[in-house]
Amino acid sequence: GQSLEQPSEVTAVEGAIVQINCTYQTSGFYGLSWYQQHDGGAPTFLSYNALDGLEETGRFSSFLSRSDSYGYLLLQELQMKDSASYFCAVRPGGFKTIFGAGTRLFVKA
Amino acid sequence: SQTIHQWPATLVQPVGSPLSLECTVEGTSNPNLYWYRQAAGRGLQLLFYSVGIGQISSEVPQNLSASRPQDRQFILSSKKLLLSDSGFYLCAWSSQVLRANTGELFFGEGSRLTVL
Repeated sequence: GQSLEQPSEVTAVEGAIVQINCTYQTSGFYGLSWYQQHDGGAPTFLSYNALDGLEETGRFSSFLSRSDSYGYLLLQELQMKDSASYFCAVRPGGFKTIFGAGTRLFVKA
Repeated sequence: SQTIHQWPATLVQPVGSPLSLECTVEGTSNPNLYWYRQAAGRGLQLLFYSVGIGQISSEVPQNLSASRPQDRQFILSSKKLLLSDSGFYLCAWSSQVLRANTGELFFGEGSRLTVL
């Protein structure tokens, strides 16, 4: 089977840094993506890693280690509006994308 | 620019009734199209995806079906709904150009289905 594991919940305070981990077991691997979803809304794309290393986009960074089947999303200078669910997703092959169960991030004042 | 629309946004259906959710994409041609389902507080489960007209790949055996009658139209159907079909249904598209492509999915606003 194919699976992606990520923590169900993370809580952090405003201004802090938080890391959301994702480990995956898939039949193939084209890349690891991260999506953000606010309550009642649609997921929106945050980042993508196809190769090992760190990708930075503003306050958000994403890391991938293909040898460890592991990645993480790093959110810096947390803001209240970052409270949302974050999903890691893998393209195991071709055009298919499968998602983890999501991590609910609570940002406290 | 590309846009994706799906409807209806909300529906309440009795068990055993039929279902039809529709999704259309504008501003692009030959997109990959997807249907995902999200149970309350859970992840996204891939139901169907399509790389072209009439080409449907099913990921989860169930009483749902999908069709792609036109290049930018994707329809999710059921002949008889079950209680377990309740959820948030999301249509999405991605570009077929794989080279240097992140595979980014662009989601519609979703259709919330409650089966009673």
